[in-house]
Amino acid sequence: KAGVTQTPRYLIKTRGQQVTLSCSPISGHRSVSWYQQTPGQGLQFLFEYFSETQRNKGNFPGRFSGRQFSNSRSEMNVSTLELGDSALYLCASRDRGHNYGYTFGSGTRLTVV
Amino acid sequence: AQSVAQPEDQVNVAEGNPLTVKCTYSVSGNPYLFWYVQYPNRGLQFLLKYITGDNLVKGSYGFEAEFNKSQTSFHLKKPSALVSDSALYFCAVQDTGRRALTFGSGTRLQVQP
Repeated sequence: KAGVTQTPRYLIKTRGQQVTLSCSPISGHRSVSWYQQTPGQGLQFLFEYFSETQRNKGNFPGRFSGRQFSNSRSEMNVSTLELGDSALYLCASRDRGHNYGYTFGSGTRLTVV
Repeated sequence: AQSVAQPEDQVNVAEGNPLTVKCTYSVSGNPYLFWYVQYPNRGLQFLLKYITGDNLVKGSYGFEAEFNKSQTSFHLKKPSALVSDSALYFCAVQDTGRRALTFGSGTRLQVQP
């Protein structure tokens, strides 16, 4: 089985721009979550989608949004980028069976200059 | 609200010696607990999980963890450390809604040859 695929791996954007990150979950996984990892704040939950519906949302401003498509692929969007948005963005997919475990992708490293 | 504490920023151990990475948690209800490992510029790799059952959980790469309900701890252990085990280790708890993972701040494990 292919793992969780995140694209692009690296991204450099300018303050004020917007960015879209993509995540393809493991085949058959319908739940996709996004996390932000920074040296200062550690790993923080952004949101989770299941069957195209946002089920849970972390404590981030409205500039951070996401969506999930019918094939379970997910995108997250950050508008009006700030320097503090520089981070590793991790996507994870989950099997809804008894596993309850998340499989993470390698992440997208976003640098805002 | 749930929380995870990893009291040690770094753990140093000599190759061949046993290692322990500490984790304590706070969550209402029965906890789902996880350990993940992160290598430089990579995502999180799943090591093991505790859902229910035996308090000693065995995972990948020879790692194991002991769930202690009375001490609300879930320490990661390995009988004999390898230099290749050097990485960043994260403990995580899943909330009562079984959705978002809350991560500890991470512990850097350094195994000296």
